[in-house]
Amino acid sequence: AQSVTQPDIHITVSEGASLELRCNYSYGATPYLFWYVQSPGQGLQLLLKYFSGDTLVQGIKGFEAEFKRSQSSFNLRKPSVHWSDAAEYFCAVCRIGSARQLTFGSGTQLTVLP
Amino acid sequence: DSGVTQTPKHLITATGQRVTLRCSPRSGDLSVYWYQQSLDQGLQFLIQYYNGEERAKGNILERFSAQQFPDLHSELNLSSLELGDSALYFCASSVKLNTEAFFGQGTRLTVV
Repeated sequence: AQSVTQPDIHITVSEGASLELRCNYSYGATPYLFWYVQSPGQGLQLLLKYFSGDTLVQGIKGFEAEFKRSQSSFNLRKPSVHWSDAAEYFCAVCRIGSARQLTFGSGTQLTVLP
Repeated sequence: DSGVTQTPKHLITATGQRVTLRCSPRSGDLSVYWYQQSLDQGLQFLIQYYNGEERAKGNILERFSAQQFPDLHSELNLSSLELGDSALYFCASSVKLNTEAFFGQGTRLTVV
């Protein structure tokens, strides 16, 4: 069965600092990979996705993620964090070619200090 | 706004009761997914419908059922509710089976 690990439950960064959120997956083959963000009281918004091709993926709100097959990782990065980025971030995977039944990680809560 | 509408936004009910959660997908989307987000289980896929037919099942309890109607809206029925069913229930929709899904804002269910 596929699984997703987000090892950091909570991360705190200062506004303007860089950010990296870790995601590792376990799956027999390379799956489709996603990062979602959930703000308080809001639904899940897709930040970016990786299906194939260039392993560095650009998303919305200045986020990017890099797929590393050898490490089974798909880490999310942002060079300069804004206070509005405070939210919970979820990494998710689904099987290539299948319907989009996502398996989510447990999430990383991001706090941004002024 | 994703275009996926879920009602109600909040629901408080007693143990043993039955509730229905409603989801209106984005215009033109044929596929609907239901997910449950709870503190102990995290985000889990429950069930998927495509154009009225069930296409996939995840960790959905037998006390739970869903359907998708001819107008493509979907309902998730939760019965014999237990305290542990308290969670945020998300609906998502996509145009086809294997295209990107967009999430609604969820229904927060509290069982007391």
